[in-house]
Amino acid sequence: SYELTQPPSVSVSPGQTARITCSGDALPKKYAYWYQQKSGQAPVLVIYDDSKRPSGIPERFSGSNSGTMATLTISGAQVEDEADYYCYSTDSSGNLWVFGGGTKLTVL
Amino acid sequence: EVQLVESGGGLVQPGGSLRLSCAASGFTVSSNYMSWVRQAPGKGLEWVSVIYNGGNTYYADSVKGRFTISRDNSKNTLYLQMNSLRAEDTAVYYCARTGYSYGYGGTYYFDYWGQGTLVTVSS
Repeated sequence: SYELTQPPSVSVSPGQTARITCSGDALPKKYAYWYQQKSGQAPVLVIYDDSKRPSGIPERFSGSNSGTMATLTISGAQVEDEADYYCYSTDSSGNLWVFGGGTKLTVL
Repeated sequence: EVQLVESGGGLVQPGGSLRLSCAASGFTVSSNYMSWVRQAPGKGLEWVSVIYNGGNTYYADSVKGRFTISRDNSKNTLYLQMNSLRAEDTAVYYCARTGYSYGYGGTYYFDYWGQGTLVTVSS
């Protein structure tokens, strides 16, 4: 089995920087991806290939991957960024496709 | 514009069957990898199954032997046939277009998602 570990919750005030971490043994060898899921909605890809932003994702969203930890950073978090965030990657063989447990971001 | 619309969810008794559909527009299902991902109520995301453009299929251990992924190229639609359903299969099921990134030896990921369809397994 393979696991990605995220903190259950992160809380920041509006305008502050929010950082959500994701740890996994295969992250030195595999890209990390981040999904935003607002209440009652489908997930949306916000970071791919460790640090790239899809079209339409605000610049305040950024990602990094170093060693066994990937990090999603929201610079100047806004109230509308409140959501659950999931990291995703695979094990080193590419056979196990795994999501982290999710992190609830509160901005207030 | 890429769109994915799931249907077919509902209430089913344990041991029963259900077929989910995912109608795609804005791209060709048969030219892409396509996945199903589910989310139990109040829980996280779980990958369920993938079908590659060449037709190969793969499943999570939790559904192997019970679920079958397929597609109809003429209808540009993805399916998930679910048999021998259990209470723990209760979830919102999302279809997702699946991309492939060539760096780091290659990683599959989900770039577009449908809105999901709820499957409830209960007597």
